[in-house]
Amino acid sequence: EVQLVESGGGLVQPGGSLRLSCAASGFTFSSYWMSWVRQAPGKGLEWVANIKQDGSEKYYVDSVKGRFTISRDNAKNSLYLQMNSLRAEDTAVYYCARERMGAKVSGVWFDPWGQGTLVTVSS
Amino acid sequence: QSVLTQPPSVSGAPGQRVTISCTGSSSNIGAGYDVHWYQQLPGTAPKLLIYGNSNRPSGVPDRFSGSKSGTSASLAITGLQAEDEADYYCQSYDSSLSLYVFGTGTKVTVL
Repeated sequence: EVQLVESGGGLVQPGGSLRLSCAASGFTFSSYWMSWVRQAPGKGLEWVANIKQDGSEKYYVDSVKGRFTISRDNAKNSLYLQMNSLRAEDTAVYYCARERMGAKVSGVWFDPWGQGTLVTVSS
Repeated sequence: QSVLTQPPSVSGAPGQRVTISCTGSSSNIGAGYDVHWYQQLPGTAPKLLIYGNSNRPSGVPDRFSGSKSGTSASLAITGLQAEDEADYYCQSYDSSLSLYVFGTGTKVTVL
């Protein structure tokens, strides 16, 4: 069974740091781009960052550039998100998701998603 | 602020057909990027419902269908069931922003 399990969320003060992890199983992790997507309480979905199969390319939404770092360890089938200088507006459930692409490059979708881990930034 | 606009809510009686629109622009849906749909049941993670505009993953009932035209896409649910009560999100890629974008989300209520 293809599965993603996030961990590492919690309560952190503004300006603090947190490292999220995502453990993958049931598929060849090293063959896929991976993403982090977040959802603020009661709000919609927002793509945060993604990383290429070998880690050589990484992309971020502007609001987290310079503060968040995405990484992966293919030997451990794990995805990470290092979050520094956290702000109240970073409060959200963070999901890791596997990227899928069809025969043409015009579409990338996310499947599956992990169960999510809640990050709360508050004093 | 999402670049893909969905109606905040739609509702229907059991057995009825409802549709959810997803309106984009020339830098995303109108540029030829595919649209994908996700279902998020209360308190759970999103689940892929439709990919590549109109394709259903295995296990998704054929009551769900997707289409795309111009700068918009639609998700249709026929034979509405109580278990379909959830939030639904469309998703695409925006070439101006250079990132994946989600719709604003639509809550489906079964009356």
